[in-house]
Amino acid sequence: DIQMTQSPSSLSASVGDRVTITCRASQGINNYLAWFQQKPGKAPKSLIYAASSLQSGVPSKFSGSGSGTDFTLTISSLQPEDFATYYCQQYNTYPITFGQGTRLEIK
Amino acid sequence: EVQLVESGGGLVQPGGSLRLSCAASGFTFSTYSLNWVRQAPGKGLEWVSYISSSSSIIYYADSVKGRFTISRDNAKNSLYLQMNSLRDEDTAVYYCARDSQFDRGVYYYYGLDVWGQGTTVTVSS
Repeated sequence: DIQMTQSPSSLSASVGDRVTITCRASQGINNYLAWFQQKPGKAPKSLIYAASSLQSGVPSKFSGSGSGTDFTLTISSLQPEDFATYYCQQYNTYPITFGQGTRLEIK
Repeated sequence: EVQLVESGGGLVQPGGSLRLSCAASGFTFSTYSLNWVRQAPGKGLEWVSYISSSSSIIYYADSVKGRFTISRDNAKNSLYLQMNSLRDEDTAVYYCARDSQFDRGVYYYYGLDVWGQGTTVTVSS
C-alpha cells in the first residue's frame, strides 16, 4: 500500500497568515493527489484534485502543487473558517490512502 | 441539489451484521463510481470500498475483505454496504463519497467531490 505522510501534524497560525502543508507519498503517484478539509462533526469537503485543480466553488486562496511523491497545499490569508483539519489522499493505486491529517489551529 | 444521504447505522454486538444505505439525488447516479470511507472516533479517514458505475469493478480494504460487501441498485439510485462479522475496530462514522463518472465512453474525474453526512456504526457488547 502507498503510505501518505503529512507534515506538520498540527499547525498554529493567525488570521491573515499564509500556511503550507506538505504531503509525501511512499512511492510515485503521478499527480493523483487530492486535498480535503474537515471540520469537527462534519463530512470532509473536497478542495483540490489532480494535485492542483481547484474543486468547483472552492476559493482561490487554496492552491495545490506537486507531482510524483511530494505535494503541498497552500492557504493564503487565513480566515476563521479555515481553521480545520486537512487531509491529503492518493488515488493512483488501490487501496486509496489518506494522510494522517494536519490540524490547523488559531494561534 | 447534488446529495448523498447515508442511513442504517446503529449499535451492534461484536460478530453481528448491519447494512448501510446511501441514497443519491441530483445527479445521474448510474454513471458514477462510488466509495465508502470511514472514520473511527478521533482518528483519520480510512477508505473502505469502491464500486464502479456498472458494478463490474469492486475493491475492498484488506481490513474488511471477506466481511463487507459493497453493492448498488442504479434503478433505486442507492449504494449499499453489507457488514458482517463486525468487530470493535469497525466502530466509526461511515461516509459514502462520489467518485469518477463514466458517461458515453468518456471518463471524468473530479476527486471524491460529493460526500454524505455520515452514519455512525458502534460495535460494542
